[in-house]
Amino acid sequence: EVQLVESGGGLVQAGGSLRLSCAASGFTFNNYWMSWVRQAPGTGLEWVATIKQDGGANYYLDSVKGRFTISRDNAKNSLYLQMNSLRAEDTAVYFCASGGNTAFGYWGQGTLVTVSS
Amino acid sequence: DIQMTQSPSTLSASVGDRVTITCRASQSISSWLAWYQQKPGKAPKLLIYKASSLESGVPSRFSGSGSGTEFTLTISSLQPDDFATYYCQQYNSFSRTFGQGTKVEIK
Repeated sequence: EVQLVESGGGLVQAGGSLRLSCAASGFTFNNYWMSWVRQAPGTGLEWVATIKQDGGANYYLDSVKGRFTISRDNAKNSLYLQMNSLRAEDTAVYFCASGGNTAFGYWGQGTLVTVSS
Repeated sequence: DIQMTQSPSTLSASVGDRVTITCRASQSISSWLAWYQQKPGKAPKLLIYKASSLESGVPSRFSGSGSGTEFTLTISSLQPDDFATYYCQQYNSFSRTFGQGTKVEIK
């Protein structure tokens, strides 16, 4: 059974940092591009970042460039999102998802990040 | 960035109805379009990829069509489990963008 389990969300003050993690199982993690997608309360979905299978290429939403860093550890079947200089508008549920070069096929249950101003 | 516009934003329908949701891209995305279903408090679920390919395990009452800039998601006979919000998403270019969503409500 495919599982993506996010962790690391929480309440942080504006300007602070958080590191999200996503543990993958049930599929060959290192064969897949991986992404983060977020959803602010009561709103739609917004793609945040994507990383290639080998970590050799990363892509970011313009509003998070220079603040967020996506990374992966294929030996640990894990995906990460380092979020610095957080803003109130970064408040959202953050989903880990497979894909990014293709449609997002597998999704985690999400982790809530709340940035207080 | 490519803008994705869905219509309608909300749709009221009854069980058994045929339902169509439209998604328009601000520029051509060939067939690089996906459709997702999301229920409250849950992660999105992939329904359709490459505009018209049905994801494994998705009921055949769901279908997708279109290419270029105009796409549709059709539910041939709406079932109780289908009341949810639906999103289109383009993956023609980085950055990826979603439509604003279409909420399918019980009439």
